[in-house]
Amino acid sequence: KAGVTQTPRYLIKTRGQQVTLSCSPISGHRSVSWYQQTPGQGLQFLFEYFSETQRNKGNFPGRFSGRQFSNSRSEMNVSTLELGDSALYLCASGGTGYEQYFGPGTRLTVT
Amino acid sequence: QQQVKQSPQSLIVQKGGISIINCAYENTAFDYFPWYQQFPGKGPALLIAIRPDVSEKKEGRFTISFNKSAKQFSLHIMDSQPGDSATYFCAASRRYNTDKLIFGTGTRLQVFP
Repeated sequence: KAGVTQTPRYLIKTRGQQVTLSCSPISGHRSVSWYQQTPGQGLQFLFEYFSETQRNKGNFPGRFSGRQFSNSRSEMNVSTLELGDSALYLCASGGTGYEQYFGPGTRLTVT
Repeated sequence: QQQVKQSPQSLIVQKGGISIINCAYENTAFDYFPWYQQFPGKGPALLIAIRPDVSEKKEGRFTISFNKSAKQFSLHIMDSQPGDSATYFCAASRRYNTDKLIFGTGTRLQVFP
């Protein structure tokens, strides 16, 4: 089975712009979760989607949003980018078991 | 109550030695405890996981020890190798209707030959 794929892998944006990141989960998995990883804050949960519905949400401002499509692919969007949004954004794919498998991440740099 | 505390922050071990990383949690509703290994520039990779109905799980050189009464769990890496040099994260989740993981702060392991 192919693993979790994320696109793009690297992104450079300017403050005030918006960005959309994409995640394709493992085939057959219906759950996609998003995490932000920074050196200062570590791995923080953003939100989780299951069968196109947001099932859980972390403590991030409304500038961070996401959605999931009928094929389980997910996108997250960050509007009005701030310097502090520079991070590695990771998505995790979950099936019927307990295991969560992460993708390689998208490295976002905001200048 | 949602925190998972991980120690040490960094660890230096000689090749062939045992690496031990500890985690503690408060929320007794957590029922799944995975460990992830992350190399620079890569996403976290699931290494080994345990549920609270067992006290130990071993997979190759990696063992999780789980102490439910103390609300602590640890990762032991036997015969540590330079290729094990990476950052290790413990995590916990309450798997009822969510896949949300609460992560520890990470341990940077360096194994020297």
